[in-house]
Order: sequence, then structure tokens, then C-alpha cells
Amino acid sequence: AQTVTQSQPEMSVQEAETVTLSCTYDTSENNYYLFWYKQPPSRQMILVIRQEAYKQQNATENRFSVNFQKAAKSFSLKISDSQLGDTAMYFCAFMKRRDDKIIFGKGTRLHILP
Amino acid sequence: DAGVTQSPTHLIKTRGQQVTLRCSPKSGHDTVSWYQQALGQGPQFIFQYYEEEERQRGNFPDRFSGHQFPNYSSELNVNALLLGDSALYLCASSRGTGQGYEQYFGPGTRLTVT
Repeated sequence: AQTVTQSQPEMSVQEAETVTLSCTYDTSENNYYLFWYKQPPSRQMILVIRQEAYKQQNATENRFSVNFQKAAKSFSLKISDSQLGDTAMYFCAFMKRRDDKIIFGKGTRLHILP
Repeated sequence: DAGVTQSPTHLIKTRGQQVTLRCSPKSGHDTVSWYQQALGQGPQFIFQYYEEEERQRGNFPDRFSGHQFPNYSSELNVNALLLGDSALYLCASSRGTGQGYEQYFGPGTRLTVT
């Protein structure tokens, strides 16, 4: 069975700073996807970034980037130049390739302080 | 382009009652997955519907059942409600099966069981 672990329940950073959220996962699969989702108080789950395990290059989306370490089964999210609108719950998630079932971690609550 | 919609936004039920939640997928999508998100937790996969059939199921009792209609919309039914069923219920849609990396989530239905 696959598991996703987020060891930081809550974090706070000042606006414009850089913050890194940690995630580790456990799987025996070789082909899979990893995701970071953002869930603001509006409850809408929004995809932030996606990484395909067979791609060695780390995914980036504007201010968001990941550090994917496949051997270590680590998948951290870096938010650069953080903004007040980044305040939300962030979930790390795993999905086997050609599947539809997403397995989520317990989340990290991120506060961006003015 | 309408995204995933869910109704109702929230509702309150009493233990032992039955509830039906509804989901309309994003335009062009034909697969619907349901997730339960307890307070302070990450979402957990309940089941997935494609071509009006349940294709995958998570670790949920038979009290949780669903249906998919010819227009691809879906219902989640929960019988004999327990206090522990109180949660945010999220619906996600995608195009076809095995395309879970392109799932879009709805805003959820908040269910409170008293």
C-alpha cells in the first residue's frame, strides 16, 4: 500500500520569503505521479504542481517548484516570493500511473504573514 | 467552461438518516471520483464511476453507494449515518479512466451529522 507523509502540520513565513514544504512517500511502484494541491478556506482543491516519476527534471510552475528525490522517496515543494494569497492547506499526494485513485497526505497549513 | 459543481453546499442530518450528494463533472469529462475529507485530514478515496459503473472502490463500508447517470453526473448516497460520517465530501472529474493526473475537484459538500 502507498502512504504519503507530511511531517509539518503548520508553518508560518513572512510575505516575500521562500518556504519549503516537506513530503515523503512509500511505494513499490516504479511509475507514478506526485502532486501538490492547495486548499484555501474556500475548500476548492487546486492543483499546484505535478511531477511524473519517470521524469528526472523537477517540475516548476512560476513561483512553485519541487525537489523530487526518487531514491529517497522525497517530494518537497518550494514557494518563492510568497504572497498572502498562498495562505492555505497544502496536500502532497500520490497516484499510480494509469490510475485514478489519489492518495493524500494529512496536509500542511501554511500561513503567509504580512 | 463550467467546472465541477456540487450540491448542496452544506447540510445537517441526524444519526441514522440517509443522505444524497450530487456532482456534475467538468464539461467534456465522463469519469467521477468521490473523496471524504474529515476535519484536519487529507481526502480519502471513496469510489469512482465511469460508464455508469463503479470502477474502483476505497476502504469504505457498503453504507456508501453511488450512481452515475447517462449525462455523467453522479450521486453519492450514505445510509444509516454515523457521527463519524461528518466531513467534507469532494467530487473530482476526469476524462476517461486512467487519467487521474488530470482530475478537477469541486468545491465540496460539508455534511454534519448530529
